[in-house]
Amino acid sequence: ETGVTQSPTHLIKTRGQQVTLRCSSQSGHNTVSWYQQALGQGPQFIFQYYREEENGRGNFPPRFSGLQFPNYSSELNVNALELDDSALYLCASSWAAKSYGYTFGSGTRLTVV
Amino acid sequence: KNEVEQSPQNLTAQEGEFITINCSYSVGISALHWLQQHPGGGIVSLFMLSSGKKKHGRLIATINIQEKHSSLHITASHPRDSAVYICAAQETSGSRLTFGEGTQLTVNP
Repeated sequence: ETGVTQSPTHLIKTRGQQVTLRCSSQSGHNTVSWYQQALGQGPQFIFQYYREEENGRGNFPPRFSGLQFPNYSSELNVNALELDDSALYLCASSWAAKSYGYTFGSGTRLTVV
Repeated sequence: KNEVEQSPQNLTAQEGEFITINCSYSVGISALHWLQQHPGGGIVSLFMLSSGKKKHGRLIATINIQEKHSSLHITASHPRDSAVYICAAQETSGSRLTFGEGTQLTVNP
């Protein structure tokens, strides 16, 4: 049974650029949630994908978008990067949209300069 | 006021001490999660509680639904327990997790 894999692990981008982060969900899981964790703070919910459809969204602007693929892997896209987007981006997978059990990835550390 | 609050924010202990981290929440929940985050960033799920108490090795988690309060206890603490411990509320309205800000635990030898 594989865990959740995120790529890349680290990334440096320039303000105004676009970035795509990737997440492979744990085998057997069909739901992926994305979180943003600023330094010294708890993670904040960005959105969730369940069976390839967005299933809930946090307080993030539309330049944060996502996709889920038929194999349940997922992408997080951020357009027009701002300095405040610098954070650790975490992906968590689960079996169903209201599942109790989550498996987290190790995160992607994004730095915007 | 945050929907999930933890205390203390920082905790330093000597090896062998008994440790308690507290979590209070103001939202209705279907479950309360305790998570561990090491400096590299990855999060490990420790417990998922909807009532009562759970134990795993030296870790114990309790929850009081009426008081909207949960505690994580570590018995016989060890330097390898040093990490950030985060509680997260899984709201009844959906599946999103609302996280506390974490407790930085340092256990000195």
